[in-house]
Amino acid sequence: QSALTQPPSASGSPGQSVTISCTGTSSDVGGYNYVSWYQQHPGKAPRLMIYEVIKRPSGVPDRFSGSKSGNTASLTVSGLQAEDEADYYCSSYAGGNILVFGTGTRVTVL
Amino acid sequence: EVQLVESGGGLVKPGGSLRLSCAASGFKFIDAWMSWVRQAPGKGLEWVGRIKSKGSGGTADYAAAVKGRFTISRDDSKNTVDLQMESLKVEDAAVYYCKWERSRYYGMDDWGQGTTVTVSS
Repeated sequence: QSALTQPPSASGSPGQSVTISCTGTSSDVGGYNYVSWYQQHPGKAPRLMIYEVIKRPSGVPDRFSGSKSGNTASLTVSGLQAEDEADYYCSSYAGGNILVFGTGTRVTVL
Repeated sequence: EVQLVESGGGLVKPGGSLRLSCAASGFKFIDAWMSWVRQAPGKGLEWVGRIKSKGSGGTADYAAAVKGRFTISRDDSKNTVDLQMESLKVEDAAVYYCKWERSRYYGMDDWGQGTTVTVSS
């Protein structure tokens, strides 16, 4: 199972929006509505930000939103804040009890 | 409050073995499906494997990179899930996280803080 493809980096100024893509295949992202997004600060464990494509866990700001079209899922961070600067990873169920992660995107707040 | 605490990491020589453990609390462990995920230094996240609850068969699935070398097991009497790693390679060096899968399809989850494995001669 190959890793999902994410852009290596993304950036935006405070208050702006940034969108990160996560491209897979019909066997993972396109085949199931089980895409998650994680935020990871240096030296910390990943934090779940979005699950099942569009759902936000309790405590996650509504500035974070998810979507999916075909084999590509997206995470949008609106109203960028300094604390949003982190690495972001997508993941998707790939059938047969397999989970696949994305390659990761470093978000920089300019 | 959900707590997942990994232990057992350390330095091991290539070809050696190591056993990691994850102690869980704050949820009904007997019904939990538990995963291991790793992150090599400076690299991305990589799924290692998952074990189902005994009520769902108790079987484990593994990533191709570790299949045949790694074994996930659970002890529901102690609320622990273990990762036995054999024939370790330099590329197995990573921070290893355990996580509780609240959905069998990898939806909501909770992560531990990780334990570091170094493989070096």
